[in-house]
Amino acid sequence: EVQLVESGGGLVQPGRSLRLSCAASGFTFDDYAMHWVRQAPGKGLEWVSGISWNSGSIGYADSVKGRFTISRDNAKNSLYLQMNSLRAEDTAFYYCAKRRFSSGWYGIFDSWGQGTLVTVSS
Amino acid sequence: EIVLTQSPGTLSLSPGERATLSCRASQSVTSSYLAWYQRKPGQAPRLLIYGASTRATGIPDRFSGSGSGTDFTLTISRLEPEDFAVYYCQQYGSLPFTFGPGTKVDIK
Repeated sequence: EVQLVESGGGLVQPGRSLRLSCAASGFTFDDYAMHWVRQAPGKGLEWVSGISWNSGSIGYADSVKGRFTISRDNAKNSLYLQMNSLRAEDTAFYYCAKRRFSSGWYGIFDSWGQGTLVTVSS
Repeated sequence: EIVLTQSPGTLSLSPGERATLSCRASQSVTSSYLAWYQRKPGQAPRLLIYGASTRATGIPDRFSGSGSGTDFTLTISRLEPEDFAVYYCQQYGSLPFTFGPGTKVDIK
């Protein structure tokens, strides 16, 4: 059974940094692209970033480009999101999501974690 | 960026009825790379349909997807009690990947 467990969320002041992690199990992690998707309270889903199986292809939403960095460690079956220069509008639940197919990296998500809440406030 | 619009915002129906949900894109979706997700409170989204019309693994055949270009439809042929939820469409044909605002299907 696929399991994705996010961690690292919390309350942080504007301008500070936070690093999210996603621990994956139940599938061959290094066969699949992985993504981060967020949902602000009362808002819809927003794709944040994605990374191919070998980190060769990476993409970001315009809203986070230059501030967030996605990475992965296939030896540890883990996905990361380094978030710098955080803003109030980054407040959201952050979900890691697995791509449906082992080839390619574009975002179609067949498994999701339960999310970790990031609150940016002074 | 491709903007997705979903209608109606809320659909009030009874179990056994047919639900028809619409998703319209601001520009053509590449290769019909359009997916539908179901989301229930406190749960992660569940992939229902991808490629506009292919059911994901384990999805009952009462769920079907259709459409191409800019107009897509999710149909639930006969609503079961467990189908009352929020449904999102998502395009994954071009960056950035975008989601629609969702259609809530609730019990009439």
